[in-house]
Amino acid sequence: AQSVTQLGSHVSVSEGALVLLRCNYSSSVPPYLFWYVQYPNQGLQLLLKYTSAATLVKGINGFEAEFKKSETSFHLTKPSAHMSDAAEYFCAVKKAAGNKLTFGGGTRVLVKP
Amino acid sequence: DTAVSQTPKYLVTQMGNDKSIKCEQNLGHDTMYWYKQDSKKFLKIMFSYNNKELIINETVPNRFSPKSPDKAHLNLHINSLELGDSAVYFCASSPMTSSSTDTQYFGPGTRLTVL
Repeated sequence: AQSVTQLGSHVSVSEGALVLLRCNYSSSVPPYLFWYVQYPNQGLQLLLKYTSAATLVKGINGFEAEFKKSETSFHLTKPSAHMSDAAEYFCAVKKAAGNKLTFGGGTRVLVKP
Repeated sequence: DTAVSQTPKYLVTQMGNDKSIKCEQNLGHDTMYWYKQDSKKFLKIMFSYNNKELIINETVPNRFSPKSPDKAHLNLHINSLELGDSAVYFCASSPMTSSSTDTQYFGPGTRLTVL
């Protein structure tokens, strides 16, 4: 069975500072990995996804994530936080065969002025 | 144009009632899903349909019955509502069943409150 762990349910950053959200997965086969963002009272929106091409994936809104097989990690970063980045972020994993997404518990990002 | 839409956005009802949530996608996708997000924001898949055929059915009480009249619609009917059913329910869709790299597109959610 595959699972996803997001370290830290809450992260607080200052505007302009680095955003780092941690995601580790466990999977018996190489997975596909996704980061979604949920703004307040909205549905989920895809930020980026890893599908076994380049290990460094660039997404929307200046976010990027690096797939590290040796560490079973897919951490999300953004060099400079903006107030509009305040949201809930979800890491998700999917097996190479099939379409079932398994989500981590989410990390809420607060951005301080 | 809304890609994945759900109605209603909010639903407040009494225990024991039966209610339905509707979902429609105008993306031409073949596959649709229902997810439940609990009060701790934990998201879990409930069902998935491909071209009106059920392909994923997680461990969900049989009080929950999805219905897909066509591939653009996936409705969720809930019988005998319980307090624990209170949650936000998200509908999603993706282009093809066979491609695991496909992005799932989510609706805005329906917040169900059972009193």
